[in-house]
Amino acid sequence: NAGVTQTPKFRVLKTGQSMTLLCAQDMNHEYMYWYRQDPGMGLRLIHYSVGEGTTAKGEVPDGYNVSRLKKQNFLLGLESAAPSQTSVYFCASSHSIRDSPYEQYFGPGTRLTVT
Amino acid sequence: QQQVKQSPQSLIVQKGGISIINCAYENTAFDYFPWYQQFPGKGPALLIAIRPDVSEKKEGRFTISFNKSAKQFSLHIMDSQPGDSATYFCAARRGSWGKLQFGAGTQVVVTP
Repeated sequence: NAGVTQTPKFRVLKTGQSMTLLCAQDMNHEYMYWYRQDPGMGLRLIHYSVGEGTTAKGEVPDGYNVSRLKKQNFLLGLESAAPSQTSVYFCASSHSIRDSPYEQYFGPGTRLTVT
Repeated sequence: QQQVKQSPQSLIVQKGGISIINCAYENTAFDYFPWYQQFPGKGPALLIAIRPDVSEKKEGRFTISFNKSAKQFSLHIMDSQPGDSATYFCAARRGSWGKLQFGAGTQVVVTP
């Protein structure tokens, strides 16, 4: 099993450009999450999904959109990138609460720089 | 504001020593407290976790101590090894959907 994979690994954008980050998991997990990691701030939840076709806002959702058209994929979009979105983005997935003790499995991350 | 406060920001310990990282929280609705370990260039990985009805959990050289009344929990790394050099995050889960609140992280360096 590949676990959680993310593409791309690195990206440089200019202010105002758009892009989509792809997360894929092969563990048949119901729940998926997008976090951003910034120095001194830990990981902050951007958006999450508790099943195919459903998404919800996390702690820092502004400037991002997400979609979960297939159970195994969770896409994070930036419509108009800003320098404040320079960060490392992590995707994670987990079983639903009723099925297991809540462990989230993380992908390797995408390092995004917005100039 | 950060709902889970973590300290110290960094620490250096000699091989064989004990590393101690502390976390504090305010929200009594949190019901699950995991610690994640992250190596440079990698995603975080679950190290050990505890529920609030347990005061201590040990897995190998890693121990979580939990003080519910003080709303504090800590990670102890016994007999620290150079391979333990990583960033450690405490976290707390509240209720539905498995959402985690993370601490700011502690960079641990174990010197040979």
